[in-house]
Amino acid sequence: RKEVEQDPGPFNVPEGATVAFNCTYSNSASQSFFWYRQDCRKEPKLLMSVYSSGNEDGRFTAQLNRASQYISLLIRDSKLSDSATYLCVVNMKRNRDDKIIFGKGTRLHILP
Amino acid sequence: DGGITQSPKYLFRKEGQNVTLSCEQNLNHDAMYWYRQDPGQGLRLIYYSQIVNDFQKGDIAEGYSVSREKKESFPLTVTSAQKNPTAFYLCASSNNRGPYEQYFGPGTRLTVT
Repeated sequence: RKEVEQDPGPFNVPEGATVAFNCTYSNSASQSFFWYRQDCRKEPKLLMSVYSSGNEDGRFTAQLNRASQYISLLIRDSKLSDSATYLCVVNMKRNRDDKIIFGKGTRLHILP
Repeated sequence: DGGITQSPKYLFRKEGQNVTLSCEQNLNHDAMYWYRQDPGQGLRLIYYSQIVNDFQKGDIAEGYSVSREKKESFPLTVTSAQKNPTAFYLCASSNNRGPYEQYFGPGTRLTVT
């Protein structure tokens, strides 16, 4: 099983719709979780951290399910500008060191 | 303005030449990282440094070298030993006190012909 796994997509979603995607991780000792957004040929930008209690920032909601070892990202009322690749990032302990693992990303296309 | 800068944005080199990519941050972060991204691929860690004068190899360190003489700077040298150097190179930094969010520079797109 890969350390961090995401559905590569693409997800083609009409503007205004709600879209959700998950990211699974293999190491149950993982401690910190993040969602990043990466536009084509640009650097990744931090979208939100994912807390145990879940968190919401405007139209974006992130949740963590430790029992099933996945995090999710929900985007409501999607905009054309939400089109991007969404990267799941997990910080896990490995032999007392912290290791940050990036998923390969899920591509999202918002259609007009 | 606090942030991470990388220069140049585009770099072209002939095969067999070493090239050094610049990364500077003024976020007062202890940790700095270098990643490589190939088309349609995820980020792969080349080297990282948790503190000045110390650095560790990542998953794909062969053909690369780094130095960390100053907290603000973490240059990456792509040597002629790197078999496939053409890629998008991203530098990032984070603090060492958790939860370790990384902040990225704009990247350098290196093309070797």
